[in-house]
Amino acid sequence: GIQVEQSPPDLILQEGANSTLRCNFSDSVNNLQWFHQNPWGQLINLFYIPSGTKQNGRLSATTVATERYSLLYISSSQTTDSGVYFCAVGSEYGNKLVFGAGTILRVKS
Amino acid sequence: DVKVTQSSRYLVKRTGEKVFLECVQDMDHENMFWYRQDPGLGLRLIYFSYDVKMKEKGDIPEGYSVSREKKERFSLILESASTNQTSMYLCASSHDSGYGYTFGSGTRLTVV
Repeated sequence: GIQVEQSPPDLILQEGANSTLRCNFSDSVNNLQWFHQNPWGQLINLFYIPSGTKQNGRLSATTVATERYSLLYISSSQTTDSGVYFCAVGSEYGNKLVFGAGTILRVKS
Repeated sequence: DVKVTQSSRYLVKRTGEKVFLECVQDMDHENMFWYRQDPGLGLRLIYFSYDVKMKEKGDIPEGYSVSREKKERFSLILESASTNQTSMYLCASSHDSGYGYTFGSGTRLTVV
């Protein structure tokens, strides 16, 4: 099955700093999504981005499908950005997703 | 807003009990999923359904079954709960295309 690797596994930032999270996947996909899991466990969908670039406020994401990677950019980080960021990919009917292990982000004030 | 509602936030059950976890979505999504999340193991797919009365095994279906009698409701059943099923259970739904993937707030199940 598809393998999903995320880096870095842990990241500590000072408030206001920028960061880039990376997701590598082992096969072609028709679905790629980024999620944020807040400290209370709720998973929030950030981007549906099987290819191309999208932006939503301070967050943006780019997927280069031909090279099998995706990047999530966080600019001007805030303490509320803390949590775990997951990349998930899918390639089969029904669009079940395979999740990476996540990047734990801690933003300090 | 799309809502995926899980019936319980916390649940404590005894070994051997039959456990039902309920999930309801209100956006007419075709697909529904059950995942479990464990420290160090990430999210793993248990079962999913792409239509009423249809179900497909995920990566770790052993010890679980599911039911989807109505489009909006997807139930996860632990036939005989065991301590190794102590976990966070997450329900999700999406459009047929995979767009709009939305998770519920999770049920933290403890089996004693």
